[in-house]
Amino acid sequence: AQSVAQPEDQVNVAEGNPLTVKCTYSVSGNPYLFWYVQYPNRGLQFLLKYITGDNLVKGSYGFEAEFNKSQTSFHLKKPSALVSDSALYFCAVRDIGNTPLVFGKGTRLSVIA
Amino acid sequence: DAGVIQSPRHEVTEMGQEVTLRCKPISGHDYLFWYRQTMMRGLELLIYFNNNVPIDDSGMPEDRFSAKMPNASFSTLKIQPSEPRDSAVYFCASSLDASYNEQFFGPGTRLTVL
Repeated sequence: AQSVAQPEDQVNVAEGNPLTVKCTYSVSGNPYLFWYVQYPNRGLQFLLKYITGDNLVKGSYGFEAEFNKSQTSFHLKKPSALVSDSALYFCAVRDIGNTPLVFGKGTRLSVIA
Repeated sequence: DAGVIQSPRHEVTEMGQEVTLRCKPISGHDYLFWYRQTMMRGLELLIYFNNNVPIDDSGMPEDRFSAKMPNASFSTLKIQPSEPRDSAVYFCASSLDASYNEQFFGPGTRLTVL
């Protein structure tokens, strides 16, 4: 069965500094990997996805993520954090077949001015 | 498109009452998902539909929960009777498929059961 882990409940970073939100996964086949963001009192919004191809995926709002098959990771990154990036971030994975995504527990990102 | 629409946005009810949450997916999306979000348990998939047919309801916590999708543009999640532990934010999401394409989430319904 597929699973995804976000090892950090909370990440704090100063505005202007690079940020990383970690995600590792476990699947039996080739993974489809997603990142979503949730702002307060809002639904989740899609940021980016990896299906196949280039291991570095670029998404919305300047975010990117790197697929690393050997480390089974899909960390979310941004070169320069903004206060407005403060939100809850979810990693999600799908295994073989047309089955729904499995979401991680989320990582709360706080960007401090 | 207006996106996924959910109503009501907030619901406060008393224990034992019936609660009905509503969702209108994005037109053309064949898949509809119901999720529940709590601080303790995070985001949980309750049930999902494909072309109005329930595919997997293994996430529905108890028989008190039921979901229907009478047509491609409307779905309901019903809790009867409601209990305080049902208090959560309930999200509806829709997608072109189960997992290849991204899911579009509604704004959620915040349910409080007193």
